[in-house]
Amino acid sequence: QIQLVQSGPELKKPGESVKISCKASGYTFTDYAMNWVKQAPGNGLKWMGWINTHTGKPTYADDFKQRFVFSLETSASTAYFQINNLTIEDTGTYFCTRGKMYNPSDHWGQGVMVTVSS
Amino acid sequence: DIVMTQSPSSLAVSAGETVTINCKSSQSLLYSGNRKNYLAWYQQKPGQSPKLLIYWASTRQSGVPDRFIGSGSGTDFTLTISSVQAEDLAIYYCHQYYDIYTFGAGTKLELK
Repeated sequence: QIQLVQSGPELKKPGESVKISCKASGYTFTDYAMNWVKQAPGNGLKWMGWINTHTGKPTYADDFKQRFVFSLETSASTAYFQINNLTIEDTGTYFCTRGKMYNPSDHWGQGVMVTVSS
Repeated sequence: DIVMTQSPSSLAVSAGETVTINCKSSQSLLYSGNRKNYLAWYQQKPGQSPKLLIYWASTRQSGVPDRFIGSGSGTDFTLTISSVQAEDLAIYYCHQYYDIYTFGAGTKLELK
């Protein structure tokens, strides 16, 4: 069956970096884009952007253009998301979701809790 | 960006009641080329990732019980849950995929 399995929780200090993985299985990885969505504690969902798994081209939402990097390891059907120079405001749960342009995401990873604290 | 406004923010219900959640978009989600509304509904239970319930405003995802009904067009949409069950207690989000993805703030469904 289709699965998106993300890496485990992270505890980081301000200024550090974090890299999260999302391993896809049960479908052809390059047939679907990979989206990233943030959920701050007690808050709703915010789309961060997506990466074209066919070309590797990332697209970032306006609020996520400076310190955020989407990447792929296509041979391993894995997408990565990195945040550089972490701040307290980066604390939250990050989801990977598969999707196609102009379609809703039909499968989501389990989410990764990132805690940034001094 | 398209702003999605959901109401109410929370709702206390008894099992067996019918509930309605509203979602309004700041611009039309109806694409004239295919007459489809680019609106979905998700359900998120505590500690879980969101689950797709409804897409194209009214199409149920495979396996979703028929007590979940999506309706509306243009800028005004509704999720109706008939005969609410305890397992339906969750936060519900509307989501537009017409343009850069945005979500509503969520409606928390609680038991009275």
